[in-house]
Amino acid sequence: DTGVSQNPRHKITKRGQNVTFRCDPISEHNRLYWYRQTLGQGPEFLTYFQNEAQLEKSRLLSDRFSAERPKGSFSTLEIQRTEQGDSAMYLCASSLGAGTADTQYFGPGTRLTVL
Amino acid sequence: GQNIDQPTEMTATEGAIVQINCTYQTSGFNGLFWYQQHAGEAPTFLSYNVLDGLEEKGRFSSFLSRSKGYSYLLLKELQMKDSASYLCATPRGYSTLTFGKGTMLLVSP
Repeated sequence: DTGVSQNPRHKITKRGQNVTFRCDPISEHNRLYWYRQTLGQGPEFLTYFQNEAQLEKSRLLSDRFSAERPKGSFSTLEIQRTEQGDSAMYLCASSLGAGTADTQYFGPGTRLTVL
Repeated sequence: GQNIDQPTEMTATEGAIVQINCTYQTSGFNGLFWYQQHAGEAPTFLSYNVLDGLEEKGRFSSFLSRSKGYSYLLLKELQMKDSASYLCATPRGYSTLTFGKGTMLLVSP
């Protein structure tokens, strides 16, 4: 399978713990995006990378959230001191980054439950 | 800013045709995407419109009117597997997507 992959698929944690999610984009894609989705809502943008550079962060991304893409390939999203409000599906997407509004392809997501 | 509106839920019967509408307001327009999302799964790309008119792709068609800030997704010959959420989205610049809340389509026998 050469699509976007995410690990883990599910994560249950206690409030106050740190969690880290991983995303592996489609190999030739140089743009990578993180979104968050709660029940009954569309995905909300969190941050995106062009190669290894983090070009934009949403106001939704508090200082407890950090994302990296160290070699311009896979990316990690870390949430420190998790809160119950962080419970959501975290989606990763990638695109070629051809300069136009290129199509984003999504991974299966990581469902986070904070108890 | 960007604002996208679409109906919350629609129902239809197998074999029928359904039209899912989307209205948008954007500070700059770079096209409109439609995605399909089954429960618990990732959104999958359906269509992208940047010019006015109808684009047909098998059983699915998408229409855009830039002057009206309006798009619709037309699904023909509905099948049970078409039960899903349909998301309308516009790009902000050339990168991030702003999504509507999605329209949950329920197809009944």
